[in-house]
Amino acid sequence: DIQMTQSPSTLSASVGDRVTITCRASQSVSSWLAWYQQKPGKAPNLLIYKASTLETGVPSRFSGSGSGTEFTLTISSLQPDDFATYYCQQYNTYPLTFGGGTKVEIK
Amino acid sequence: EVQLVDSGGGLVKPGGSLRLSCAGSGFTFYSVGMNWVRQAPGKGLEWVSSISSASSYIYYADSLEGRFTISRDNAKNSLYLQMNSLRAEDTAVYYCARSAPGSNRIDYWGQGTLVTVSS
Repeated sequence: DIQMTQSPSTLSASVGDRVTITCRASQSVSSWLAWYQQKPGKAPNLLIYKASTLETGVPSRFSGSGSGTEFTLTISSLQPDDFATYYCQQYNTYPLTFGGGTKVEIK
Repeated sequence: EVQLVDSGGGLVKPGGSLRLSCAGSGFTFYSVGMNWVRQAPGKGLEWVSSISSASSYIYYADSLEGRFTISRDNAKNSLYLQMNSLRAEDTAVYYCARSAPGSNRIDYWGQGTLVTVSS
């Protein structure tokens, strides 16, 4: 199974900050990586797929990069609505696997 | 508008069974793969199972040890998860989720249904 490791697990930031979350795969997933945002009590919401493609309707302050085993999610200017937990997920092979999550908190 | 409505969760005793359902609308249900993903209280997301559009390919997480069965009825636009021999560690919110057309990535999620396994 492909293990997905996210860092950091928790991140404290202020509105307007640039935020970067890292996701590492235990073996190459090519560009078959997605990022999701989840708020408490809600289902996850797809932000980015194929490592860097923004899902329709997602604000342009979100961006993704990477390929192979190293990926990043960047929020260029953190907004109040962005305080949430973020997950990466590889969909290169089954079993599909998620990272452990990164909680973005208000500093 | 794509909609997925999960149902069937509840309180069940260890060793018991439960069947979850998911009703899809707003898209051509028979043409896409479907998935179940769960989230234990306060924990991260865990993929459970996937089924292809015509049920030709089915995948399960190893951790389930053969206790769960995924199925679908395309005539009813519905996805199911039969869960047997339930354990306390199966306690979680279970989400039905759609695979994007022609892809394995998950693009839409249901609201989730809570399964609690406790005596």
